[in-house]
Amino acid sequence: QKEVEQNSGPLSVPEGAIASLNCTYSDRGSQSFFWYRQYSGKSPELIMSIYSNGDKEDGRFTAQLNKASQYVSLLIRDSQPSDSATYLCAVNTAGNTGKLIFGQGTTLQVKP
Amino acid sequence: NAGVTQTPKFQVLKTGQSMTLQCAQDMNHNSMYWYRQDPGMGLRLIYYSASEGTTDKGEVPNGYNVSRLNKREFSLRLESAAPSQTSVYFCGRGLAPSDTQYFGPGTRLTVL
Repeated sequence: QKEVEQNSGPLSVPEGAIASLNCTYSDRGSQSFFWYRQYSGKSPELIMSIYSNGDKEDGRFTAQLNKASQYVSLLIRDSQPSDSATYLCAVNTAGNTGKLIFGQGTTLQVKP
Repeated sequence: NAGVTQTPKFQVLKTGQSMTLQCAQDMNHNSMYWYRQDPGMGLRLIYYSASEGTTDKGEVPNGYNVSRLNKREFSLRLESAAPSQTSVYFCGRGLAPSDTQYFGPGTRLTVL
């Protein structure tokens, strides 16, 4: 069974701090990795996609991928209360079939 | 709504009733998806359609059927609803199976 694991949290950080969210996956052949943000009662919205080892930055967000260790992480710099949400890690199965496997999500709380 | 519309937004069914969840995308994408999300969990793939005229099972297909009516529309049918199918259902679209998936607003289904 292909799996994606996240710590469910909640992860609590003060406003302005760096939030670090982690995700591990079991399918060594996976090639596409995604971070989604989901506010309560809403649908997931894409934050970042990453396909190659290393870092990818977009504004306050940085995604990090290490395929050898099978983990992907998301850093949020200068965290804001509006960043409080559940963050879902999603991994495309080997062969990029489109079958995304989602983690259970990490709830982030940013306290003013 | 990320170019994906879903109807209805809410539905209450009795055990054994049938219904069809409708999904339409306006982005001319090839791939469409149906996921379900249970409380405290990530999304789980029910069925997907990599391109018009094709459908395939995902992680949790039992109790569901799908129809890719045309490139724009992908419907999900529950033939005989069960309480275990109480969930939030998200329809998604993607340019290709390897690409980012974008989700509609969801249908909140309760089966009594």
